[in-house]
Amino acid sequence: KAGVTQTPRYLIKTRGQQVTLSCSPISGHRSVSWYQQTPGQGLQFLFEYFSETQRNKGNFPGRFSGRQFSNSRSEMNVSTLELGDSALYLCASSSWTGEYGGYTFGSGTRLTVV
Amino acid sequence: AQTVTQSQPEMSVQEAETVTLSCTYDTSESNYYLFWYKQPPSRQMILVIRQEAYKQQNATENRFSVNFQKAAKSFSLKISDSQLGDTAMYFCAFMKGYSGGGADGLTFGKGTHLIIQP
Repeated sequence: KAGVTQTPRYLIKTRGQQVTLSCSPISGHRSVSWYQQTPGQGLQFLFEYFSETQRNKGNFPGRFSGRQFSNSRSEMNVSTLELGDSALYLCASSSWTGEYGGYTFGSGTRLTVV
Repeated sequence: AQTVTQSQPEMSVQEAETVTLSCTYDTSESNYYLFWYKQPPSRQMILVIRQEAYKQQNATENRFSVNFQKAAKSFSLKISDSQLGDTAMYFCAFMKGYSGGGADGLTFGKGTHLIIQP
């Protein structure tokens, strides 16, 4: 069974640009969530999607957005990039079949804003 | 809002020793889950162990076990017979119980860097 796949692994962008990150969950998982990891702030929740609906959003500005497609794949977009957006972005997927098994994470996308 | 606190930024033990990582949390929820995740240098977050709040019995997974004290809102991780491969960042995480499918994401602590010395 393939794991959670995040693309690209590394990305370098210039301040002011926009970026789109992709996440393919484990087959059958309908829940996808995104996290930002930085040395200063640690791991922070961005948003969670379930069956194409955003269920919850963390405390991030509107420049951060996401969506989920009918095949459960998810994308997150950051517009007007700032230097402080440099981080490891992690995606995680989960299944809900009565007994909760926990989130499975991808290897992340390392975004550097210059 | 929930908070998760890990008070030990770094710990170092000798191989084969037992080590306990601390975690406390604050919530007004009655239905929730707690997790320990491991993040080695490869940066892949790996689920180590999970605990449902409604279960009184402490979870165990091979060399990993937890001490879940619900009233004290404490959730420590014990690693027995530590191995060099256990060297990693360890994160404690909280999640509200779900309803109707889906969830509201994980709240993480700041992490504990565990170093296993040969």
